[in-house]
Amino acid sequence: QKEVEQNSGPLSVPEGAIASLNCTYSDRGSQSFFWYRQYSGKSPELIMFIYSNGDKEDGRFTAQLNKASQYVSLLIRDSQPSDSATYLCARDRGTYKYIFGTGTRLKVLA
Amino acid sequence: GAVVSQHPSRVICKSGTSVKIECRSLDFQATTMFWYRQFPKQSLMLMATSNEGSKATYEQGVEKDKFLINHASLTLSTLTVTSAHPEDSSFYICSATAGPNTGELFFGEGSRLTVL
Repeated sequence: QKEVEQNSGPLSVPEGAIASLNCTYSDRGSQSFFWYRQYSGKSPELIMFIYSNGDKEDGRFTAQLNKASQYVSLLIRDSQPSDSATYLCARDRGTYKYIFGTGTRLKVLA
Repeated sequence: GAVVSQHPSRVICKSGTSVKIECRSLDFQATTMFWYRQFPKQSLMLMATSNEGSKATYEQGVEKDKFLINHASLTLSTLTVTSAHPEDSSFYICSATAGPNTGELFFGEGSRLTVL
């Protein structure tokens, strides 16, 4: 089992819809989780981080963490074509040593 | 936010040569820098952790003699791919933190290495 698993996609949603991206992890001791967006050929940029169970909202983005079920999700409301990218889920193994999933490719259709 | 700069952004070299990639923190002192490698359509894989003034620690399976890391100052870490081969062709990305509990890891723009 991979440490951080994501469906590779592509996930296609129409413009204006909600995109839901999911991630599961194997290490129950994981405390910190991150969502990064990566455009093709570019380095990742941080979207959100979440440490506590429940929801965390920032603008159009909501991260959800469920430690009991070992999953993290990212919701993108009012999806825009510019949101089309690969979304990487990561957990902190400790002292900023991040373990990344393979990413989910999102396509927002205009 | 903080800026981490990598150079070069793209490099093409012949098999058997060595290539150096620089990673600089432009507006903060990076006590720790990390080097990642990303093959096409795959995830970022942590290669090594670079601490200023001490030897880098490498992840399992990463050859320390092939991927030389030097973190000589609080703003500069370098990765040298020695005797590069085509299978070393990849996207190399550095990241940096100003220290524990500072809240964020900052990524460089990445360096695409192509070994012919």
